[in-house]
Amino acid sequence: DVKVTQSSRYLVKRTGEKVFLECVQDMDHENMFWYRQDPGLGLRLIYFSYDVKMKEKGDIPEGYSVSREKKERFSLILESASTNQTSMYLCASRTGGGGQETQYFGPGTRLLVL
Amino acid sequence: SQKIEQNSEALNIQEGKTATLTCNYTNYSPAYLQWYRQDPGRGPVFLLLIRENEKEKRKERLKVTFDTTLKQSLFHITASQPADSATYLCALDEGFQKLVFGTGTRLLVSP
Repeated sequence: DVKVTQSSRYLVKRTGEKVFLECVQDMDHENMFWYRQDPGLGLRLIYFSYDVKMKEKGDIPEGYSVSREKKERFSLILESASTNQTSMYLCASRTGGGGQETQYFGPGTRLLVL
Repeated sequence: SQKIEQNSEALNIQEGKTATLTCNYTNYSPAYLQWYRQDPGRGPVFLLLIRENEKEKRKERLKVTFDTTLKQSLFHITASQPADSATYLCALDEGFQKLVFGTGTRLLVSP
């Protein structure tokens, strides 16, 4: 079974703080993704990575950065947290091979920025 | 970019009935389409994938259809149970190994 874990289920931070969200997958997947999910807006892609040290912007990268130093770990960084970044953050991974398009999600981190 | 429409209103049905959820998209037809289940406070879980050259796919009580002419997928749960209550997300291939997700439809199955 593929397992994707996220460092925290709930997080409360103050405006202006630097926030790190960690994601680890155990299936040697090449591709990893960070989404945020908000009511009425669904899942929106922030960043994704298709290899170590590689990253691509998604649909809403502003205010975020990412790091992928090891294949199994993909970190999302909020450089200076703002209240509009209060959201549910979901990490996902998938293999790079064709015919295996399923994305496997972590349990999510609910972030509240005060 | 691709726009996906799923009914934002919750679907309420009685146990034992068939639930049918709709996913409409507006632009190009994707190479494949996926359905995910999401429970409150959890990450989505993959259910089924259907490719553009497939009309129908089944898995136990689940059935998915894909009509590229209508730009629509239907997701059916037969003999529904209260445990099927969840939000169901439609996701389309966007190329470069990315997916674009709909906002989901909440299904409530009453005993």
